[in-house]
Amino acid sequence: AQSVSQHNHHVILSEAASLELGCNYSYGGTVNLFWYVQYPGQHLQLLLKYFSGDPLVKGIKGFEAEFIKSKFSFNLRKPSVQWSDTAEYFCAGGSGNTGKLIFGQGTTLQVKP
Amino acid sequence: NAGVTQTPKFRVLKTGQSMTLLCAQDMNHEYMYWYRQDPGMGLRLIHYSVGEGTTAKGEVPDGYNVSRLKKQNFLLGLESAAPSQTSVYFCASSYSRPYEQYFGPGTRLTVT
Repeated sequence: AQSVSQHNHHVILSEAASLELGCNYSYGGTVNLFWYVQYPGQHLQLLLKYFSGDPLVKGIKGFEAEFIKSKFSFNLRKPSVQWSDTAEYFCAGGSGNTGKLIFGQGTTLQVKP
Repeated sequence: NAGVTQTPKFRVLKTGQSMTLLCAQDMNHEYMYWYRQDPGMGLRLIHYSVGEGTTAKGEVPDGYNVSRLKKQNFLLGLESAAPSQTSVYFCASSYSRPYEQYFGPGTRLTVT
């Protein structure tokens, strides 16, 4: 069965620390991968996406992710986090033409000022 | 351009009651989706629609029904609410790239 998993459920960092959140997917065929962010009390917003081409994808607010096909991974990174990055982060993947996305369990990031 | 809107924002139901959640989008998107979000489980797809008049089951469809009579609206119905349906419900839509989904603000439903 298709699945997307996130290894870190709760991450606590100090401001200016570097961030890496893990995401792995387990399905074949055409892979489309996304990272969404949900700030407290808000709806999900798209951070970045990978459809094809350059495996290093840059998104909004200084985030980037690298698609590594051999590792079935799409990890999210940011060199220096800010207090305003405190949020829940979701990795999601889709394939085929149904438009369906499979979401990971989510990672709660808490950044201490 | 309001994007994706959801009505209501909050609702408390008693077991056995029914209700309908409304999702509306003004982006002329073909695809629409209903998810539920529960702690530690991410978002799970309930039902989705790939166009006006069409609906399909997602990962957790039991206890829910949907209708897409108009392209811009996607309704989620609970015929007989159960405490297990206490959750936050998100609607989303997408257009030419079906996976780039735009989300609404959510509806927090509590069933007592």
